[in-house]
Amino acid sequence: EAGVAQSPRYKIIEKRQSVAFWCNPISGHATLYWYQQILGQGPKLLIQFQNNGVVDDSQLPKDRFSAERLKGVDSTLKIQPAKLEDSAVYLCASSFVGGNEQFFGPGTRLTVL
Amino acid sequence: EDQVTQSPEALRLQEGESSSLNCSYTVSGLRGLFWYRQDPGKGPEFLFTLYSAGEEKEKERLKATLTKKESFLHITAPKPEDSATYLCAVHAWNQGGKLIFGQGTELSVKP
Repeated sequence: EAGVAQSPRYKIIEKRQSVAFWCNPISGHATLYWYQQILGQGPKLLIQFQNNGVVDDSQLPKDRFSAERLKGVDSTLKIQPAKLEDSAVYLCASSFVGGNEQFFGPGTRLTVL
Repeated sequence: EDQVTQSPEALRLQEGESSSLNCSYTVSGLRGLFWYRQDPGKGPEFLFTLYSAGEEKEKERLKATLTKKESFLHITAPKPEDSATYLCAVHAWNQGGKLIFGQGTELSVKP
């Protein structure tokens, strides 16, 4: 069974530039999560989708971050404009609806200079 | 506020030297407690889910236990390949699907 796919794996940008990350969840998983993991910390949830609807985006900095899951399968997370403090690994995870176990992708490491 | 604290932050062991990692949590209603392993440059890999106090689960050299306030990950006779960061997370009934993670324990096992 294929796992959660993410791209790109690495991205380096200047502050105030924009960037987008892509995630394809495990087939059949209706729930998709984006987490931010700052170096030395545990992941923090940014947004949770169920199918193409947002369940929780309470910790998403909406002035600069946006996310979509238009067809209820893959998802894109965008940052515009980026700040230095956005440097982190962005992890995508997926699960069955109501499922407890979340399965993570390899992440995208973002460096903002 | 729901909170997870892991200790120690880092642990160095010799191969074969058994030890335990601690995860203390404060949550309004525990739906599940999770242990993940994270290797450098990779996403977290699921290890265990525990649901109620007194529950235990084992996988190879790892055993996870749960009380009403904390969870332990016991590592018996570790090998160098057990070196990784171990993350604990809680899932609360009032938090939808959100996992609240601790900061992790970085385990290093030397041969």
